[in-house]
Amino acid sequence: AQSVTQPDIHITVSEGASLELRCNYSYGATPYLFWYVQSPGQGLQLLLKYFSGDTLVQGIKGFEAEFKRSQSSFNLRKPSVHWSDAAEYFCAVGALEYGNKLVFGAGTILRVKS
Amino acid sequence: DAGITQSPRHKVTETGTPVTLRCHQTENHRYMYWYRQDPGHGLRLIHYSYGVKDTDKGEVSDGYSVSRSKTEDFLLTLESATSSQTSVYFCAISDRQGNTGELFFGEGSRLTVL
Repeated sequence: AQSVTQPDIHITVSEGASLELRCNYSYGATPYLFWYVQSPGQGLQLLLKYFSGDTLVQGIKGFEAEFKRSQSSFNLRKPSVHWSDAAEYFCAVGALEYGNKLVFGAGTILRVKS
Repeated sequence: DAGITQSPRHKVTETGTPVTLRCHQTENHRYMYWYRQDPGHGLRLIHYSYGVKDTDKGEVSDGYSVSRSKTEDFLLTLESATSSQTSVYFCAISDRQGNTGELFFGEGSRLTVL
Protein backbone atom coordinates (compact mmCIF):
# COMPACT_ATOMS: atom_id res chain seq x y z
CA ALA A 1 0.00 0.00 0.00
CA GLN A 2 1.09 3.53 -0.61
CA SER A 3 2.40 5.59 2.27
CA VAL A 4 3.88 9.01 2.78
CA THR A 5 6.39 10.02 5.44
CA GLN A 6 7.15 13.54 6.53
CA PRO A 7 9.97 13.02 9.02
CA ASP A 8 9.82 16.46 10.59
CA ILE A 9 6.78 17.28 12.71
CA HIS A 10 7.96 20.83 13.44
CA ILE A 11 10.53 23.03 11.77
CA THR A 12 11.57 26.51 12.85
CA VAL A 13 13.49 28.81 10.52
CA SER A 14 14.46 32.44 10.64
CA GLU A 15 12.81 34.85 8.29
CA GLY A 16 14.93 35.17 5.17
CA ALA A 17 16.55 31.77 5.63
CA SER A 18 16.15 28.91 3.19
CA LEU A 19 13.71 26.09 3.80
CA GLU A 20 13.53 22.42 2.91
CA LEU A 21 10.67 20.18 3.98
CA ARG A 22 11.18 16.48 3.47
CA CYS A 23 8.76 13.98 1.98
CA ASN A 24 9.38 10.31 1.31
CA TYR A 25 6.87 7.96 -0.22
CA SER A 26 6.48 4.24 -0.55
CA TYR A 27 4.95 3.29 -3.82
CA GLY A 28 5.11 0.53 -6.36
CA ALA A 29 3.93 2.59 -9.28
CA THR A 30 4.65 5.89 -10.92
CA PRO A 31 3.37 8.40 -8.40
CA TYR A 32 1.62 11.68 -8.71
CA LEU A 33 3.02 13.99 -6.04
CA PHE A 34 1.58 17.05 -4.40
CA TRP A 35 2.37 19.60 -1.73
CA TYR A 36 -0.47 21.37 0.06
CA VAL A 37 -0.37 24.17 2.63
CA GLN A 38 -2.83 24.82 5.43
CA SER A 39 -3.04 28.09 7.29
CA PRO A 40 -4.57 27.98 10.78
CA GLY A 41 -8.32 27.45 10.70
CA GLN A 42 -8.37 27.04 6.95
CA GLY A 43 -8.65 24.29 4.40
CA LEU A 44 -5.74 23.08 2.32
CA GLN A 45 -4.40 24.86 -0.74
CA LEU A 46 -2.31 23.26 -3.48
CA LEU A 47 1.25 24.60 -3.71
CA LEU A 48 2.52 22.44 -6.56
CA LYS A 49 2.24 19.05 -8.21
CA TYR A 50 4.34 16.61 -10.18
CA PHE A 51 3.00 14.16 -12.73
CA SER A 52 5.84 13.62 -15.18
CA GLY A 53 8.58 15.40 -17.09
CA ASP A 54 10.95 17.87 -15.49
CA THR A 55 11.68 16.66 -11.99
CA LEU A 56 11.97 20.19 -10.61
CA VAL A 57 8.56 21.79 -10.37
CA GLN A 58 7.67 25.34 -9.53
CA GLY A 59 4.66 26.27 -7.46
CA ILE A 60 2.93 29.26 -6.02
CA LYS A 61 4.36 31.60 -3.41
CA GLY A 62 7.94 30.97 -4.55
CA PHE A 63 8.01 27.28 -3.61
CA GLU A 64 9.61 24.51 -5.64
CA ALA A 65 9.99 20.77 -5.23
CA GLU A 66 12.25 18.15 -6.72
CA PHE A 67 11.22 14.59 -7.50
CA LYS A 68 14.00 12.08 -6.94
CA ARG A 69 12.88 8.63 -7.97
CA SER A 70 16.06 6.93 -6.68
CA GLN A 71 15.40 8.32 -3.21
CA SER A 72 11.60 8.11 -3.33
CA SER A 73 11.54 11.73 -2.25
CA PHE A 74 9.71 14.91 -3.16
CA ASN A 75 11.20 17.62 -0.97
CA LEU A 76 9.76 21.13 -0.87
CA ARG A 77 12.10 24.11 -0.93
CA LYS A 78 12.03 27.86 -0.73
CA PRO A 79 15.14 30.05 -0.95
CA SER A 80 13.96 32.77 1.43
CA VAL A 81 11.17 32.26 3.94
CA HIS A 82 8.69 35.00 4.80
CA TRP A 83 6.77 35.25 8.08
CA SER A 84 3.56 34.59 6.13
CA ASP A 85 4.85 31.13 5.21
CA ALA A 86 4.19 29.91 8.75
CA ALA A 87 1.65 27.13 8.28
CA GLU A 88 1.34 23.37 8.12
CA TYR A 89 2.55 21.63 4.99
CA PHE A 90 1.32 18.31 3.69
CA CYS A 91 2.84 16.03 1.11
CA ALA A 92 0.43 13.77 -0.77
CA VAL A 93 0.78 10.89 -3.21
CA GLY A 94 -1.57 9.32 -5.71
CA ALA A 95 -1.39 6.88 -8.57
CA LEU A 96 -3.78 5.50 -11.15
CA GLU A 97 -3.09 1.99 -9.94
CA TYR A 98 -4.54 2.86 -6.54
CA GLY A 99 -7.72 4.38 -7.76
CA ASN A 100 -9.19 7.72 -7.06
CA LYS A 101 -7.35 8.42 -3.84
CA LEU A 102 -4.65 10.62 -2.44
CA VAL A 103 -2.64 9.58 0.60
CA PHE A 104 -1.42 12.42 2.80
CA GLY A 105 1.58 12.62 5.07
CA ALA A 106 1.15 13.62 8.70
CA GLY A 107 2.25 17.18 8.01
CA THR A 108 5.10 19.49 8.99
CA ILE A 109 4.39 22.61 11.01
CA LEU A 110 6.60 25.49 9.94
CA ARG A 111 7.37 28.26 12.40
CA VAL A 112 9.12 31.41 11.22
CA LYS A 113 11.04 33.50 13.70
CA SER A 114 11.87 37.11 13.11
CA ASP B 1 -11.83 30.43 -4.30
CA ALA B 2 -13.69 27.24 -5.11
CA GLY B 3 -17.33 27.40 -4.09
CA ILE B 4 -17.41 24.85 -1.28
CA THR B 5 -19.51 25.31 1.82
CA GLN B 6 -19.43 23.00 4.79
CA SER B 7 -22.09 23.00 7.47
CA PRO B 8 -22.12 23.13 10.36
CA ARG B 9 -18.67 24.61 10.90
CA HIS B 10 -18.68 23.67 14.56
CA LYS B 11 -20.71 21.08 16.41
CA VAL B 12 -20.65 19.59 19.88
CA THR B 13 -22.66 16.45 20.40
CA GLU B 14 -22.95 13.56 22.79
CA THR B 15 -21.88 9.96 22.34
CA GLY B 16 -24.50 7.87 20.62
CA THR B 17 -26.27 10.68 18.79
CA PRO B 18 -26.48 10.84 15.00
CA VAL B 19 -24.62 13.61 13.21
CA THR B 20 -24.77 14.74 9.60
CA LEU B 21 -22.24 17.04 8.00
CA ARG B 22 -23.05 18.67 4.70
CA CYS B 23 -20.80 19.69 1.86
CA HIS B 24 -22.25 21.89 -0.85
CA GLN B 25 -20.38 22.91 -4.02
CA THR B 26 -21.22 25.35 -6.76
CA GLU B 27 -18.48 24.20 -9.16
CA ASN B 28 -20.32 21.25 -10.72
CA HIS B 29 -17.30 19.04 -10.05
CA ARG B 30 -17.78 15.32 -10.42
CA TYR B 31 -15.62 14.11 -7.55
CA MET B 32 -16.25 14.83 -3.88
CA TYR B 33 -14.39 13.62 -0.82
CA TRP B 34 -14.66 13.56 2.94
CA TYR B 35 -11.43 13.59 4.96
CA ARG B 36 -10.79 13.75 8.66
CA GLN B 37 -7.78 15.55 10.08
CA ASP B 38 -6.19 14.51 13.35
CA PRO B 39 -2.86 15.56 14.83
CA GLY B 40 -0.07 13.23 13.78
CA HIS B 41 -2.19 11.58 11.10
CA GLY B 42 -2.56 14.26 8.48
CA LEU B 43 -5.68 13.84 6.40
CA ARG B 44 -7.29 10.43 6.04
CA LEU B 45 -9.92 9.64 3.46
CA ILE B 46 -13.29 8.55 4.84
CA HIS B 47 -15.46 8.22 1.73
CA TYR B 48 -15.56 9.68 -1.71
CA SER B 49 -17.99 10.04 -4.57
CA TYR B 50 -17.37 9.89 -8.30
CA GLY B 51 -20.88 10.86 -9.32
CA VAL B 52 -24.47 11.07 -8.17
CA LYS B 53 -25.27 7.95 -6.15
CA ASP B 54 -21.74 6.61 -6.79
CA THR B 55 -19.64 6.38 -3.66
CA ASP B 56 -16.78 4.30 -2.33
CA LYS B 57 -14.95 3.77 0.92
CA GLY B 58 -11.70 5.31 1.95
CA GLU B 59 -9.20 4.11 4.53
CA VAL B 60 -11.18 5.07 7.66
CA SER B 61 -14.80 4.45 6.66
CA ASP B 62 -15.98 2.43 9.68
CA GLY B 63 -18.73 4.26 11.54
CA TYR B 64 -19.44 6.63 8.67
CA SER B 65 -21.87 6.61 5.77
CA VAL B 66 -22.33 9.02 2.89
CA SER B 67 -24.93 9.97 0.36
CA ARG B 68 -24.93 11.98 -2.81
CA SER B 69 -28.35 12.52 -4.34
CA LYS B 70 -27.35 15.67 -6.23
CA THR B 71 -24.14 16.75 -7.88
CA GLU B 72 -23.74 19.67 -5.53
CA ASP B 73 -24.31 17.95 -2.18
CA PHE B 74 -22.31 15.28 -0.38
CA LEU B 75 -23.47 14.29 3.09
CA LEU B 76 -21.42 12.54 5.74
CA THR B 77 -23.36 10.78 8.49
CA LEU B 78 -22.18 9.41 11.79
CA GLU B 79 -25.01 7.06 12.75
CA SER B 80 -23.96 6.91 16.40
CA ALA B 81 -21.16 9.28 17.23
CA THR B 82 -18.25 8.12 19.39
CA SER B 83 -15.50 10.10 21.09
CA SER B 84 -12.98 8.70 18.60
CA GLN B 85 -14.83 10.59 15.90
CA THR B 86 -13.94 13.92 17.45
CA SER B 87 -12.02 15.52 14.63
CA VAL B 88 -11.94 18.20 11.99
CA TYR B 89 -13.72 17.07 8.84
CA PHE B 90 -12.86 18.45 5.44
CA CYS B 91 -14.78 18.18 2.25
CA ALA B 92 -12.86 18.37 -1.02
CA ILE B 93 -13.87 18.47 -4.65
CA SER B 94 -12.14 17.83 -7.95
CA ASP B 95 -13.03 17.89 -11.62
CA ARG B 96 -10.67 15.01 -12.28
CA GLN B 97 -9.78 11.87 -10.43
CA GLY B 98 -8.41 12.88 -7.06
CA ASN B 99 -5.12 11.15 -7.54
CA THR B 100 -4.36 13.21 -10.62
CA GLY B 101 -6.19 16.44 -10.17
CA GLU B 102 -6.07 19.28 -7.75
CA LEU B 103 -8.32 18.97 -4.74
CA PHE B 104 -10.17 22.05 -3.57
CA PHE B 105 -10.95 22.02 0.12
CA GLY B 106 -13.68 23.50 2.22
CA GLU B 107 -12.88 25.29 5.46
CA GLY B 108 -13.62 22.31 7.65
CA SER B 109 -16.18 21.25 10.23
CA ARG B 110 -14.96 20.80 13.77
CA LEU B 111 -16.87 18.04 15.56
CA THR B 112 -16.56 17.33 19.26
CA VAL B 113 -18.17 14.20 20.66
CA LEU B 114 -18.52 14.24 24.44
